[in-house]
Amino acid sequence: QVQLQESGPGLVKPSGTLSLTCAVSGDSISSNNWWSWVRQPPGKGLEWIGEAYHGGSANYSPSLKSRVTISVDKSKNQFSLKLTSVTAADTAVYYCARIYCSDISCFKFDYWGQGALVTVSS
Amino acid sequence: QTVVTQEPSLTVSPGGTVTLTCASSTGAVTSGHYPNWFQQKPGQAPRALIHNTNNKHSWTPARFSGSLLGGKAALTLSGVQPEDEAEYYCLLYYGGAYVFGTGTKVTVL
Repeated sequence: QVQLQESGPGLVKPSGTLSLTCAVSGDSISSNNWWSWVRQPPGKGLEWIGEAYHGGSANYSPSLKSRVTISVDKSKNQFSLKLTSVTAADTAVYYCARIYCSDISCFKFDYWGQGALVTVSS
Repeated sequence: QTVVTQEPSLTVSPGGTVTLTCASSTGAVTSGHYPNWFQQKPGQAPRALIHNTNNKHSWTPARFSGSLLGGKAALTLSGVQPEDEAEYYCLLYYGGAYVFGTGTKVTVL
């Protein structure tokens, strides 16, 4: 059974950097899958942040691209999110998710973490 | 900026059928957008229901089905159960980036 678990500070100061980690169990971070971050502001909808592959490739939402980095740590079987220059608008529940890739195609979001609330406030 | 639009809310009777749609501001939704559908209940993480337009996950109840309908992605719930009351989101792929739909609140009444 694949499981993902987010962790990181629940409070970040404005203009600071938001950093979260997603620990993966039941699958190797070096498998042929992509690893993604999604967020949800309180009372609002879901927003895709980006994705990364263990080989070093990454893709980001155009609206966040200038501030976000997603990286994979093969030694710890986890992946991370960094979001710089945060404001109150970045307050949200942050989810990590796996994008499963078969021999034929990817694009299959399947397993999700339970989410981590990050509040941006002084 | 690409916008993916869903019905804000739909109401269905227990045992009834309801279809949710997912429209793209760039034009018709095709299989090349690899539509995914998710269910989210209050206080919970999203749960994957459908991937690649019409493929169920191993845990997806048989009453959920995905399709393309009139230039949109669609999610049909047949024989609706009270536990299907939730928010539903679609997700479309745009060549290197994904965009979530605005979400549909389904009420079972």
